[in-house]
Amino acid sequence: KAGVTQTPRYLIKTRGQQVTLSCSPISGHRSVSWYQQTPGQGLQFLFEYFSETQRNKGNFPGRFSGRQFSNSRSEMNVSTLELGDSALYLCASSLASGSLNEQFFGPGTRLTVL
Amino acid sequence: DQQVKQNSPSLSVQEGRISILNCDYTNSMFDYFLWYKKYPAEGPTFLISISSIKDKNEDGRFTVFLNKSAKHLSLHIVPSQPGDSAVYFCAASIPGGFKTIFGAGTRLFVKA
Repeated sequence: KAGVTQTPRYLIKTRGQQVTLSCSPISGHRSVSWYQQTPGQGLQFLFEYFSETQRNKGNFPGRFSGRQFSNSRSEMNVSTLELGDSALYLCASSLASGSLNEQFFGPGTRLTVL
Repeated sequence: DQQVKQNSPSLSVQEGRISILNCDYTNSMFDYFLWYKKYPAEGPTFLISISSIKDKNEDGRFTVFLNKSAKHLSLHIVPSQPGDSAVYFCAASIPGGFKTIFGAGTRLFVKA
């Protein structure tokens, strides 16, 4: 069974631009969560989607948004990029919603904002 | 507000010895705790978990201990192997919660 895939793997943008990251969950998984990883901060929860609905959201500004499609694939968008948005963005999928369900992570998208 | 804290950014251990990674939490509502391991250029992978109704869970070389009164959990790896060198994240969730709160991670170096 294929794992979680994220595209692109690396991205370089400049301040003010916007970016869209993509995540394909494991086949059959309906929940997708997004995390931001920065040095010293660990994994910060962005949001979780289940059956195309956002179930929960972390403490990030409105510039960060996401969506999920009917095939469970998810996209995350960041508008008006800032230098501090440089991070590794991780996507995780699980069979169902709820934190007791084991999450399977993708390799991440490394975003650099110049 | 970091509800899950891993105060040691790094830990170095000799091969064959015990590695002890620590984690503290502040939210007494947390009832499920997990450890994830992350290698460079890969996403975190689930390692072991423990429910708040237990104080110990063991899986091979990995044991997690939970001290609810101290709001503290630890991961023991015995014996440590060079392949265990990775970043370890502690995580916690609340009943019925839809998100998992992660700590900042501890980088473990196991020297051969």
